[in-house]
Amino acid sequence: SQTIHQWPATLVQPVGSPLSLECTVEGTSNPNLYWYRQAAGRGLQLLFYSVGIGQISSEVPQNLSASRPQDRQFILSSKKLLLSDSGFYLCAWSVRGGLQRDFFGQGTRLTVV
Amino acid sequence: GQQVMQIPQYQHVQEGEDFTTYCNSSTTLSNIQWYKQRPGGHPVFLIQLVKSGEVKKQKRLTFQFGEAKKNSSLHITATQTTDVGTYFCAGSPSSGAGSYQLTFGKGTKLSVIP
Repeated sequence: SQTIHQWPATLVQPVGSPLSLECTVEGTSNPNLYWYRQAAGRGLQLLFYSVGIGQISSEVPQNLSASRPQDRQFILSSKKLLLSDSGFYLCAWSVRGGLQRDFFGQGTRLTVV
Repeated sequence: GQQVMQIPQYQHVQEGEDFTTYCNSSTTLSNIQWYKQRPGGHPVFLIQLVKSGEVKKQKRLTFQFGEAKKNSSLHITATQTTDVGTYFCAGSPSSGAGSYQLTFGKGTKLSVIP
């Protein structure tokens, strides 16, 4: 069966510090991968998606970046965090082709102080 | 771009009452999906509707997809405290760029008073 791992679960970082969140998927090949952010309270905002190694599409301009160094690895990074980067970050995967259905990781709750 | 609107934002019900959340898309969708997020948790897939006018049931939950494939609803009969959480609809456009991306509604946060 397929599983998705995301870490860390919680993170407190000072303003201006770097960020690296990692997500890995097991049990499937060539998945589409996604990073979402959920602000306190609510909706899911798509940040990045990837349909293959090294292929990253950005939905929202910001000081975050994403990379996909391996087929089942997706990394969210920042060189300098802002207070506004606080939120709940969710990694998700879906099967390539066909109808998309997102399987979410447990999420990382990031607080920038 | 595609927009998915969901109402209401919040709903407080007495345990045993029914609950409905509505989802409307600005564009025709290839499919609509519903997710549930428990407090402190991550979204979990509930169901996917593909056909125009489709209705699916999961125990006390009834999901509908509109004839025009632009709206959907989730109805819970006789709510229980275990139904607490935020319910999201999500859809992808029926064609064109972005057809493999989901656009989520802002969700309806359900509180159930015992």
